[in-house]
Amino acid sequence: SQQGEEDPQALSIQEGENATMNCSYKTSINNLQWYRQNSGRGLVHLILIRSNEREKHSGRLRVTLDTSKKSSSLLITASRAADTASYFCATDPYTGNQFYFGTGTSLTVIP
Amino acid sequence: SQTIHQWPATLVQPVGSPLSLECTVEGTSNPNLYWYRQAAGRGLQLLFYSVGIGQISSEVPQNLSASRPQDRQFILSSKKLLLSDSGFYLCAWSTGTGNTEAFFGQGTRLTVV
Repeated sequence: SQQGEEDPQALSIQEGENATMNCSYKTSINNLQWYRQNSGRGLVHLILIRSNEREKHSGRLRVTLDTSKKSSSLLITASRAADTASYFCATDPYTGNQFYFGTGTSLTVIP
Repeated sequence: SQTIHQWPATLVQPVGSPLSLECTVEGTSNPNLYWYRQAAGRGLQLLFYSVGIGQISSEVPQNLSASRPQDRQFILSSKKLLLSDSGFYLCAWSTGTGNTEAFFGQGTRLTVV
């Protein structure tokens, strides 16, 4: 299976704190993406980082990518209660036609 | 703008009954289309993807099949449902041009009883 893994599986923090989630994957990739899923809903794309990039920012999100270690991290700064959701990484292999998702991190931000 | 429609939102079916879930995309041509299944509290498993009409690739052997009768229509089917087919089914599309994201429908919660 090409599915990646996120850790931790669950994370609970206070509002205002930073949240860090990690993703490990198995194969060479074209890019890596992070998605958010509210309970019982579809996934929403957050950010994409290409294989030749090491870091990317979007608002309160910061993503890093280490292709030598086949790993990525997502940092959410100054978390809010509305950030409560599950977060998934997805890899797009060189074939470019599939997206393989990790197992997800469930984030709870306590007001 | 592009939109994706997936229905029904919830479905309860008896074991052995057939299944048909439909997904349509508007506002784009020749999208890549995907069916995923998500077990409770788990990640997404890619079931099928399609790069064009009549072109279906299956990722895992299973009790399900997929068809793409029109450019922007993707159907997930089963002739006889199993209890293990229960889950949250998500349809998605992408442009397939590389370094683009996937856009998801709102999902179908299938419970086989």
